[in-house]
Amino acid sequence: DAKTTQPNSMESNEEEPVHLPCNHSTISGTDYIHWYRQLPSQGPEYVIHGLTSNVNNRMASLAIAEDRKSSTLILHRATLRDAAVYYCILRDLNNNDMRFGAGTRLTVKP
Amino acid sequence: EAQVTQNPRYLITVTGKKLTVTCSQNMNHEYMSWYRQDPGLGLRQIYYSMNVEVTDKGDVPEGYKVSRKEKRNFPLILESPSPNQTSLYFCASSSPGQPYEQYFGPGTRLTVT
Repeated sequence: DAKTTQPNSMESNEEEPVHLPCNHSTISGTDYIHWYRQLPSQGPEYVIHGLTSNVNNRMASLAIAEDRKSSTLILHRATLRDAAVYYCILRDLNNNDMRFGAGTRLTVKP
Repeated sequence: EAQVTQNPRYLITVTGKKLTVTCSQNMNHEYMSWYRQDPGLGLRQIYYSMNVEVTDKGDVPEGYKVSRKEKRNFPLILESPSPNQTSLYFCASSSPGQPYEQYFGPGTRLTVT
């Protein structure tokens, strides 16, 4: 299975943009890139996903490198409620299995 | 409201006493799965089910059983719990039309003494 590598932790100031990186150098052509986040004392929640092109939704943006070996989740203006563990996950388009790694713990400072 | 529910939310039990953690979803999702979360290890998949009567092992199935007799329910069974199964458990579901978006339950914190 293709793996992802993320920094263990990152810090951000409130109201500033946050760029969360993810490396997935062994990604295959049929792997989607997903991002989930887990707020304290809650189950994970879906943030965004993409295959090749950059994606935007109401929560975040996903920038995917041209060679697809890395991606970046962008929170445009971090709020205190965005403090969470963010998981970058690869999922093969032919199945629903997701392999969560340890993720990046984002701390947002007021 | 679309949701995944788990019961109980908290459970303390003793080694060897059989227990079941229930999971139910009201979104008519075909796919359901169980994860456990341990410090430093992230979420690891225990079992998953593509549809009724179809189940398969995830990464850490030892010591667990599941069943899928109805689409909405996917119970996790620990026949003989041991202390190394002390963990936070999450159930999740998704539909074939949107496999990228899994809905997670609130979690069940299990302690086995």
